[in-house]
Amino acid sequence: AQSVTQPDIHITVSEGASLELRCNYSYGATPYLFWYVQSPGQGLQLLLKYFSGDTLVQGIKGFEAEFKRSQSSFNLRKPSVHWSDAAEYFCAVVRNTGFQKLVFGTGTRLLVSP
Amino acid sequence: DAGITQSPRHKVTETGTPVTLRCHQTENHRYMYWYRQDPGHGLRLIHYSYGVKDTDKGEVSDGYSVSRSKTEDFLLTLESATSSQTSVYFCAISSGTGREQYFGPGTRLTVT
Repeated sequence: AQSVTQPDIHITVSEGASLELRCNYSYGATPYLFWYVQSPGQGLQLLLKYFSGDTLVQGIKGFEAEFKRSQSSFNLRKPSVHWSDAAEYFCAVVRNTGFQKLVFGTGTRLLVSP
Repeated sequence: DAGITQSPRHKVTETGTPVTLRCHQTENHRYMYWYRQDPGHGLRLIHYSYGVKDTDKGEVSDGYSVSRSKTEDFLLTLESATSSQTSVYFCAISSGTGREQYFGPGTRLTVT
């Protein structure tokens, strides 16, 4: 069964510093990959997605993610964090064949210090 | 933002009472999903629908039932609510299998 690991439960970054959130998946082939963000009391918003092609994908709010097949990873990055980026971030994967369900990681909570 | 609404947004109910949560979409998407979100567990799929009257179980379906009589509405029912069903419930939609899902604002349910 496929699974998603987000090894960092909490991360604190200074405003203006760079950010990298880790995501590793377990699946025999390349799945479809997603990053979502959830602000407190809100639903989940799609940041970016990877289906195929260029392994560096750009998303909304200045985020990007890089798919690395050899490491089974899909890490999220941002060069300069803003206080408004404080939220919880979820990585998710789904198999790219047949009807399959989206599997979420347990999330990483980002705190931004002044 | 995708046109997804959930009602009610907040509900407090007593153990043993039935509860129905509603998800309404205006996107005409075929697939609809119900998740629950609990600390330390991320989002877990309860039930999903792949068309009108076509539904199936997710990983945490015990104690829940669903119905979809119209494309735009997906109902989640707790026949007899228990305290373990206190959670935040999210509805999601997608246009196709394996495609990205778009989420509603959530319903916070407290069972006392």
